[in-house]
Amino acid sequence: DQQVKQNSPSLSVQEGRISILNCDYTNSMFDYFLWYKKYPAEGPTFLISISSIKDKNEDGRFTVFLNKSAKHLSLHIVPSQPGDSAVYFCAASANNDYKLSFGAGTTVTVRA
Amino acid sequence: NAGVTQTPKFRILKIGQSMTLQCTQDMNHNYMYWYRQDPGMGLKLIYYSVGAGITDKGEVPNGYNVSRSTTEDFPLRLELAAPSQTSVYFCASSPRTGIGSYNEQFFGPGTRLTVL
Repeated sequence: DQQVKQNSPSLSVQEGRISILNCDYTNSMFDYFLWYKKYPAEGPTFLISISSIKDKNEDGRFTVFLNKSAKHLSLHIVPSQPGDSAVYFCAASANNDYKLSFGAGTTVTVRA
Repeated sequence: NAGVTQTPKFRILKIGQSMTLQCTQDMNHNYMYWYRQDPGMGLKLIYYSVGAGITDKGEVPNGYNVSRSTTEDFPLRLELAAPSQTSVYFCASSPRTGIGSYNEQFFGPGTRLTVL
């Protein structure tokens, strides 16, 4: 049972434009959400996170938005750069759980 | 500070063989995890450990075993390898200190395993 879903397997965006990645979840107990970035032949690396007590968290070019009522979060990358081309995973956890549930990932390609 | 290291990077096994994937972290994290990633899929948790001597099953534990004798090491054992275990395996660790702290995990570079 996939509790975290990333319904867009891929996204292509022009350099300098905005990339918007979406993530939906079904478990209402999730209260902490993370985005990971993964390059080929490397492990995922932490990008940005958000607690359920917030609806927005910003770190440089990366902003994550959380809509708890819709059980939806999104990652905005502005402006997109060629080095942002990677697979992005959405992940979620519940406060009383040690484990993360991951989405299937979205492959972002930034075109010059 | 090397973070999380995994060996080997690549391995080809024959059906029925066994092997151990090694994972070591030097960040003194209590929590460690093993995931597998299949093409087009997210990371699936195989086993995890909340400290030396304590392990528990994740979503997809069948065909695998783990041990945690030290804080640093968390090896994953495959017995009787099957083609369905062809995957990329990631080890991760977390500094999570308890309830109420967030759960950022640090990943190793992965081991690509093929079972033929």
